[in-house]
Amino acid sequence: QKEVEQDPGPLSVPEGAIVSLNCTYSNSAFQYFMWYRQYSRKGPELLMYTYSSGNKEDGRFTAQVDKSSKYISLFIRDSQPSDSATYLCATLSGNTPLVFGKGTRLSVIA
Amino acid sequence: KAGVTQTPRYLIKTRGQQVTLSCSPISGHRSVSWYQQTPGQGLQFLFEYFSETQRNKGNFPGRFSGRQFSNSRSEMNVSTLELGDSALYLCASSLRWDTMNTEAFFGQGTRLTVV
Repeated sequence: QKEVEQDPGPLSVPEGAIVSLNCTYSNSAFQYFMWYRQYSRKGPELLMYTYSSGNKEDGRFTAQVDKSSKYISLFIRDSQPSDSATYLCATLSGNTPLVFGKGTRLSVIA
Repeated sequence: KAGVTQTPRYLIKTRGQQVTLSCSPISGHRSVSWYQQTPGQGLQFLFEYFSETQRNKGNFPGRFSGRQFSNSRSEMNVSTLELGDSALYLCASSLRWDTMNTEAFFGQGTRLTVV
């Protein structure tokens, strides 16, 4: 079993839709959770960073972590064509390196 | 402030050659990590350095090596290149090991093509 599982998609939604992106992880020691956005031929850009369980909101983006079910989510409200990218979840514990899901490719259609 | 800078951006090498990639972290960041990204495997961890010491190492063959200098700049080297080494090599820096903040910021990557 991979440490972080993420549905690769692709996911295609109309402009203005709410997008839900999800990951599961296996190691209960993971404490820090991140979402990255990666445009084609670019490096990953840090979108959201959370510690332990709970929600964090930043503009149209909401990150959710449920440590009891080892489930990580990213919600995008009012999605825009500029949100079309690959979204990567990542996690780590105190001493481990950052572990990534394989990424979900999202297309927002105008 | 300046982000993570990776050089060169693109590289084409022949099988059997060796290559050195460079990464300059965000000013003040002493933790530097390297990742290999391919379409099939996603982002795979190579190694992590802090204050010139390797803190973590991934499951890559010994042909892959790295180091960090006293100014926190890091290099990675791949010797005896194989076709399968073609990938986007990404470097990330953070304040990890200095603080509890583990936010990692990536550079634009070096795209290596082995022919």
